[in-house]
Amino acid sequence: EPEVTQTPSHQVTQMGQEVILRCVPISNHLYFYWYRQILGQKVEFLVSFYNNEISEKSEIFDDQFSVERPDGSNFTLKIRSTKLEDSAMYFCASSGGLAGAGGELFFGEGSRLTVL
Amino acid sequence: AQSVTQLGSHVSVSEGALVLLRCNYSSSVPPYLFWYVQYPNQGLQLLLKYTTGATLVKGINGFEAEFKKSETSFHLTKPSAHMSDAAEYFCAVSPLYNFNKFYFGSGTKLNVKP
Repeated sequence: EPEVTQTPSHQVTQMGQEVILRCVPISNHLYFYWYRQILGQKVEFLVSFYNNEISEKSEIFDDQFSVERPDGSNFTLKIRSTKLEDSAMYFCASSGGLAGAGGELFFGEGSRLTVL
Repeated sequence: AQSVTQLGSHVSVSEGALVLLRCNYSSSVPPYLFWYVQYPNQGLQLLLKYTTGATLVKGINGFEAEFKKSETSFHLTKPSAHMSDAAEYFCAVSPLYNFNKFYFGSGTKLNVKP
């Protein structure tokens, strides 16, 4: 069964360092998303990506964050200069159509980021 | 703005007992509604969804949920809990004006006692 894969599963970094979280969405999907979950809090929308550009982003997704689909298979989330409050589980997701319009959002297993 | 409330961050039931996980949403226009499950060390998996049509929807693993517009609710039920149902369950909504974004509840951890 096709699945979304994320690497690394866990990353520990020092405050101020750059981090890149990688995702391989399901191959024929067109819509890509990043969500995050701070420990004990809700899963929060960060950004959606379609047709090689950001289609929507939340207020959390400030200038420290960027996304890229560098090679047609990977979908990356970069945090330029990590802060303590960026510590969270980051979920990548993909869908074949607009997920909320009745399509299904397929999630990866998450990448846990710990900022020290 | 959309919000999703899941009542009870932890629910504990005995094996074989009814499972009821509550979800209420706030929206002037009923959104599309979803339940996701997260097993330990795994990603979020779709259990079921309501978009249009029949308000009682059936999902995987014997779960079902009923959309009640008058109560702005989408509670998840299962008649008989199994040990393998122990997981965290998330209710989510997608507003009709923006299918690009999901709003999640804070999750309910289900514990099933033998």
